[in-house]
Amino acid sequence: AQSVTQLGSHVSVSEGALVLLRCNYSSSVPPYLFWYVQYPNQGLQLLLKYTTGATLVKGINGFEAEFKKSETSFHLTKPSAHMSDAAEYFCAVSEGSNYQLIWGAGTKLIIKP
Amino acid sequence: DTGVSQDPRHKITKRGQNVTFRCDPISEHNRLYWYRQTLGQGPEFLTYFQNEAQLEKSRLLSDRFSAERPKGSFSTLEIQRTEQGDSAMYLCASSLPQGTGEQFFGPGTRLTVL
Repeated sequence: AQSVTQLGSHVSVSEGALVLLRCNYSSSVPPYLFWYVQYPNQGLQLLLKYTTGATLVKGINGFEAEFKKSETSFHLTKPSAHMSDAAEYFCAVSEGSNYQLIWGAGTKLIIKP
Repeated sequence: DTGVSQDPRHKITKRGQNVTFRCDPISEHNRLYWYRQTLGQGPEFLTYFQNEAQLEKSRLLSDRFSAERPKGSFSTLEIQRTEQGDSAMYLCASSLPQGTGEQFFGPGTRLTVL
């Protein structure tokens, strides 16, 4: 079975600084990869996804992620953090014919003024 | 609003009571998923429907849990004889029949069992 590891349950950056949230997965075949964001007491919103093709994918709110097969990674970045980016971020991979999502434990992004 | 909706948003119940949650997926989505999320954790898969057929259930789904999607549209998740360990956010998601598994989530139902 696949697994997803997100390094760091909490990441703190200053406003305007680079955001880097790490995600590694275990898979023997090319997966479909997703990043979702969750604001307090809300559901999950898709930020971006990798399916096939270009390995650098761009999402909403200025976020992007790069699929690196050799490293089995799909790290999320944003060049300049904004206070509104404070939320919890989840990496997920889909597996199986039912496209069930396997989730990482999440990383809480804290933005310092 | 044509997104996924869930009702109620919050439910407080006493241990031993039964509760039922409803999910209305996006209308053209035939796949529907239920997840459970506890504080500080990612969602855990509970069950999956394609149209009205329940095709997969997690081992996490004890006999006290049952889900239905009678007409292939809305779905209900019932928990019988609730326990304090059932306290969590219950998330519903839907997706198109084809494609890459991108799922659209509802706002969730937060269950508190006293």
